[in-house]
Amino acid sequence: DAKTTQPNSMESNEEEPVHLPCNHSTISGTDYIHWYRQLPSQGPEYVIHGLTSNVNNRMASLAIAEDRKSSTLILHRATLRDAAVYYCILKSGGSNYKLTFGKGTLLTVNP
Amino acid sequence: DAGVTQSPTHLIKTRGQQVTLRCSPISGHKSVSWYQQVLGQGPQFIFQYYEKEERGRGNFPDRFSARQFPNYSSELNVNALLLGDSALYLCASSLTSGGNPLQFFGPGTRLTVL
Repeated sequence: DAKTTQPNSMESNEEEPVHLPCNHSTISGTDYIHWYRQLPSQGPEYVIHGLTSNVNNRMASLAIAEDRKSSTLILHRATLRDAAVYYCILKSGGSNYKLTFGKGTLLTVNP
Repeated sequence: DAGVTQSPTHLIKTRGQQVTLRCSPISGHKSVSWYQQVLGQGPQFIFQYYEKEERGRGNFPDRFSARQFPNYSSELNVNALLLGDSALYLCASSLTSGGNPLQFFGPGTRLTVL
């Protein structure tokens, strides 16, 4: 599985935007970029995913570099409920069924 | 609609014992995956089942086994428990096995081995 690199931790203030980076220099052409987050004492939850183009949904935006070697998860207005560990995961299509989690980025949101 | 449910929520066992964890997927989902998450680490893939057949296995010893039932619920069994098996065990369900399906996780079962 291609590897991702994320900062161990980041801090933000409530109602400010947050940009969570992820490097994936060995990404292959068929790898999708998935983001999951894990709130305290809960299982991971899906946030967003994309292949080449930037993506938006009700939770976040995903900005993908033109060479696809990095991506950024954008939370437009952080709330206290967004405090979680955020995982950037590469997942190929086809028969690749599993998610390979790294350590993720622990996001702290200050009131 | 109910999400993925897991039972029990917490469990305490002693070394050498056996444990069975249970998972019910989201209605209509035919694939169930199991993950182990030790403290401070991301979840690690153990098994995936689809339509009652094992489709994938992670790097775990043979003490770990699983099965999926006709109603798509699943059980994870761990024999001869070790202290290192203490972890949060997560179940995830998805509509299909391959491709690029989204996975929906349950809240997990916290296993403590003394």
